[in-house]
Amino acid sequence: EDKVVQSPLSLVVHEGDTVTLNCSYEVTNFRSLLWYKQEKKAPTFLFMLTSSGIEKKSGRLSSILDKKELSSILNITATQTGDSAIYLCAGTGANSKLTFGKGITLSVRP
Amino acid sequence: KAGVTQTPRYLIKTRGQQVTLSCSPISGHRSVSWYQQTPGQGLQFLFEYFSETQRNKGNFPGRFSGRQFSNSRSEMNVSTLELGDSALYLCASSVERSSYNEQFFGPGTRLTVL
Repeated sequence: EDKVVQSPLSLVVHEGDTVTLNCSYEVTNFRSLLWYKQEKKAPTFLFMLTSSGIEKKSGRLSSILDKKELSSILNITATQTGDSAIYLCAGTGANSKLTFGKGITLSVRP
Repeated sequence: KAGVTQTPRYLIKTRGQQVTLSCSPISGHRSVSWYQQTPGQGLQFLFEYFSETQRNKGNFPGRFSGRQFSNSRSEMNVSTLELGDSALYLCASSVERSSYNEQFFGPGTRLTVL
């Protein structure tokens, strides 16, 4: 059965800190890894990663996939209180089913 | 372009009842997937519909079913509700049925079973 594990489960930082969120996966016929941000509503799409070693970047957020290590990281630099959310990663295999991790709860204190 | 919409947003039912949830995908999106989110289990895949056919199914009992209409709108039905069915039910749409298409989520339906 496909599995995605995220760590740490929760994290508290202060504004301006840099954080690294981890995701490891065991997905049969792996195709892509996705990151979502969830506040008190629906998950919003952040990144999709398919190729190993290529960093995707959007403002202060960046993510990279390591297919050899079956893992991905999401980096957030110069954190702001608005970054407080649950960060979800999910893997897809040959079908389009998303297998999600339990999520990482990030709290950014002023 | 409007996002994924789900109705109703909140629902309260009692054990043994049944419920139908609705999802309208982004215009032009043909694939709709349903997920259950609970604090203990996180987001779990229920099923996926594409071209009015169920293409994938997660590990949920037969009480959970769904369908998709020709306009890509989808409904999910849960019969004989149990307390453990209380959850946020999310649907997500994507352009095509592909592992390389992002899935965009609706706001969810919060179901409470008493």
